[in-house]
Amino acid sequence: EVQVVESGGGLVQPGGSLRLSCAASGFTASSYSMNWVRQAPGKGLEWVSVIHSGASTYYADSVKGRFTISRPYSENTLYLQMNSLKTEDTAVYYCARVGSGSLYRAGFDIWGQGTVVTVSS
Amino acid sequence: SYVLTQPPSVSVAPGQTARITCGGNNIGSKSVHWYQQKPGQAPVLVVYDDSDRPSGIPERLSGSNSANTATLTISRVEAGDEADYYCQVWDSSRDHSWVFGGGTKLTVL
Repeated sequence: EVQVVESGGGLVQPGGSLRLSCAASGFTASSYSMNWVRQAPGKGLEWVSVIHSGASTYYADSVKGRFTISRPYSENTLYLQMNSLKTEDTAVYYCARVGSGSLYRAGFDIWGQGTVVTVSS
Repeated sequence: SYVLTQPPSVSVAPGQTARITCGGNNIGSKSVHWYQQKPGQAPVLVVYDDSDRPSGIPERLSGSNSANTATLTISRVEAGDEADYYCQVWDSSRDHSWVFGGGTKLTVL
């Protein structure tokens, strides 16, 4: 079965760090563009970051310089290292795969169940 | 950055047709994707590339895109269609990023 499973969420103080993981199964993550998308409580979806199959990475302005997306070649896992966390980073964080074919025509076809990050003192 | 505008809510009676719009500057030139999200669940892709459906998505859900408005149409609405719906596009002008609309809550009366 093709799926992704996120983990690593939790409660962290402002200014702290957290690393999220997204384990892929049923497909080779390095062959796809993989994303992190977040959803603050009661709010809509916000795209956070992407790592393309060629390993180039991009970030939303709201997290640039604080978050780092990675995908070690030897692992079928995606990571999101989150530093200098702010209260506004509180959200459910989803891992999502871009479907096959053209990057902008495919949509995010596989989503995980999400992991909850709470930034609070 | 590119902005997508959705109505906060749409209400429809069972068996009727619901239309959820997504407005954006010249959105007709972009490829629009739609997601359905039910409470406590992850989003599900229901339409991609304006009007294509992933396998398993019923034909009752369809998409269109022209000029400054994309539309998700749900025919013969059922109680199980009640959910939040989000549109999405690739914003190539903004450092390779995706943009989501604010979401529309579909209520089945």
